[in-house]
Amino acid sequence: DAGVTQSPTHLIKTRGQQVTLRCSPKSGHDTVSWYQQALGQGPQFIFQYYEEEERQRGNFPDRFSGHQYPNYSSELNVNALLLGDSALYLCASSLGSGYGNEQFFGPGTRLTVL
Amino acid sequence: SQKIEQNSEALNIQEGKTATLTCNYTNYSPAYLQWYRQDPGRGPVFLLLIRENEKEKRKERLKVTFDTTLKQSLFHITASQPADSATYLCALALYSSASKIIFGSGTRLSIRP
Repeated sequence: DAGVTQSPTHLIKTRGQQVTLRCSPKSGHDTVSWYQQALGQGPQFIFQYYEEEERQRGNFPDRFSGHQYPNYSSELNVNALLLGDSALYLCASSLGSGYGNEQFFGPGTRLTVL
Repeated sequence: SQKIEQNSEALNIQEGKTATLTCNYTNYSPAYLQWYRQDPGRGPVFLLLIRENEKEKRKERLKVTFDTTLKQSLFHITASQPADSATYLCALALYSSASKIIFGSGTRLSIRP
């Protein structure tokens, strides 16, 4: 049973560019959440997708957008990249979007913006 | 302002002793609290969840307490082993937005042989 997978593992972009990160949830999971983790900090919630819709959003600008496909996989898009967007981007999947649902995290995508 | 605070200093413990990590929060009303383990370069791994109406939860060598009056959770690892060395994160889920998990910055734990 494959866990949560993310691609790519590492990515280097320059300021102003756009990036797309991908996530495949754990088998049987229907909900995907995205987090940004700066070095030495805890993950910060970006948004959550359930039934192909954005259900919750954290304090991130509209440059951050996402999508969920019918097979529950998800993408995170970031436009007009800033140096401060350099971080580890984590995807987590769960079954349902309600309380107490254990989240399984992927290994993350390390994004470096130069 | 709303904050989640964990031990900012790294914790160094002798193997076999009990490690105790602290998570304090202010101006939140959590529905439940979770603890995760994170190894360098890896995603967090879920360890335990405790609900706001529960005082204590145990799983093998792990124990979590949750005091909503003190707004504090304690995470204990008994009979600690060098393999327990990692960063431990606490996270809150709020009644107002169940899906939105708010993480602390983590405590780095080192267990020396």
